[in-house]
Amino acid sequence: QVQLAESGGGVVQPGRSLRLSCAASGFTFRSYAMHWVRQAPGKGLEWVSLISFDGITKYYAESVRGRFTISRDNSKNMLYLQMDSLRPEDTAVYYCARSSSPHDVFNIWGQGTMVTVSS
Amino acid sequence: QLVLTQSPSASASLGASVKLTCTLSSGHNNYVIAWHQQQPEKGPRYLMKLNSDGSHIKGDGIPDRFSGSSSGAERYLVISSLQSEDEADYYCQTWSTGIHVFGGGTKLTVL
Repeated sequence: QVQLAESGGGVVQPGRSLRLSCAASGFTFRSYAMHWVRQAPGKGLEWVSLISFDGITKYYAESVRGRFTISRDNSKNMLYLQMDSLRPEDTAVYYCARSSSPHDVFNIWGQGTMVTVSS
Repeated sequence: QLVLTQSPSASASLGASVKLTCTLSSGHNNYVIAWHQQQPEKGPRYLMKLNSDGSHIKGDGIPDRFSGSSSGAERYLVISSLQSEDEADYYCQTWSTGIHVFGGGTKLTVL
């Protein structure tokens, strides 16, 4: 069964850091590009970052560039998002998603993990 | 600038059909998009990839009731024989080099 499972969310103070993880199963993880997408409470979807299948190509939304870092470990079938200098506006459910190439549809989604940035 | 525009809400009766619209910004008429469904309190679910000529490829397990079409800068999601579980938010998605974009979403109410 093709599956993505996020973890690592929680409550964090502004300015602090948090690392999210996404465990992939049921498919050949190293063959796919991966993404992080977030959804603030009551709002729509916002793309955050992408990483190519080999981890070489990375892109970020302007709202997180310089603060967030995407990475992957193909030997462990894991995707990560290191979030530094967190702001209240980063509060959201964070989803990982899969695509066949960096610029293609998101054809598998996880269930999400909630991040709350608050003092 | 690449932008996707969706109406915030739509409604239709149980058993009827509904057509949701996603409009591409000027100069992007030939872009491919995807449609995603998000039921209440759930993660998004991929529905289909929709080309500018209206051809589309659906995700695994997506019922035949869901189809797509295109006209110029507009991309449509058509849901026929509406069921209660179709009540959800629907998002379109597209991309350009180094960026992915979502529409604001349409909240579909099944009456």
